[in-house]
Amino acid sequence: EIVLTQSPGTLSLSPGERATLSCRASQSVSSSYLAWFQQKPGQAPRLLIYGASSRATGIPDRFSGSGSGTDFTLTISRLEPEDFAVYYCQQYGSSPYTFGQGTKLEIK
Amino acid sequence: EVQLVESGGGLVQPGRSLRLSCTASGFTFGDYAMSWFRQAPGKGLEWVGFIRSKAYGGTTEYAASVKGRFTISRDDSKSIAYLQMNSLKTEDTAVYYCSKGRLVLDYWGQGTLVTVSS
Repeated sequence: EIVLTQSPGTLSLSPGERATLSCRASQSVSSSYLAWFQQKPGQAPRLLIYGASSRATGIPDRFSGSGSGTDFTLTISRLEPEDFAVYYCQQYGSSPYTFGQGTKLEIK
Repeated sequence: EVQLVESGGGLVQPGRSLRLSCTASGFTFGDYAMSWFRQAPGKGLEWVGFIRSKAYGGTTEYAASVKGRFTISRDDSKSIAYLQMNSLKTEDTAVYYCSKGRLVLDYWGQGTLVTVSS
C-alpha cells in the first residue's frame, strides 16, 4: 500500500499570498496518477488536479500541480478567501487507492 | 448536468447490515466505473472500493478494511450503484460518498451518514 504524507498539517496564510502544499509518497506513484482535492466543512470533496498537473474542469488557473515519482506539490498562486479549506492528495495508480491525511489551509 | 445522490444511511447496530444506494443522472451510467469513499467524523477521506463498467467485466476492488464485509454492485438499467455493508462495526461510522469513475473523480454525491452504534 502506498502511504501518502502531506505537509504541513496546517498552513496559515493571508489572502493574496502563495500557498505551497506537499504530498510525499512511500513509493513511486504509477503514471503520475496523483490527484488533489479541496474539501470545505459539510461538503463533498472537489477535484482540483488529476494526473499530477492537469486542472479539472472549471478550476481557476491559480491552482497548479506538479511533481512525479514520490514528490508532488499543489500551488495556489494568490489565495482567495474561498480557498481556505482542507486539501487532500490521492494516488490512484495502484490499489488500494490512498489519500494523504490532509493539509488545513487557514486564514492568518 | 451530472448528479449523484446517495441514500440509505442511518443508525444501525453493530453486526447488522445496511445497503446504500447511489442514484446517478446526467451521464451514460453504464459506461463508467463507480467508486465509494467514506469519511469518519472529523477524519480524512478513505477509499472504500469501486466497480468497473460491464465493458471492463464489472469487476470490483475493495480496501482491506472492508473486504469480505462490503459488496459493491450496480444496476445499469436503473443507473444505481449499491454498497452492501454487512457485519458493521463501530469504526464503519462515517459519511459515505459515491463518485463517478475510478480514476478522475470529477463528480461526487453529497454523502450519506452511517452511524454504527448500539
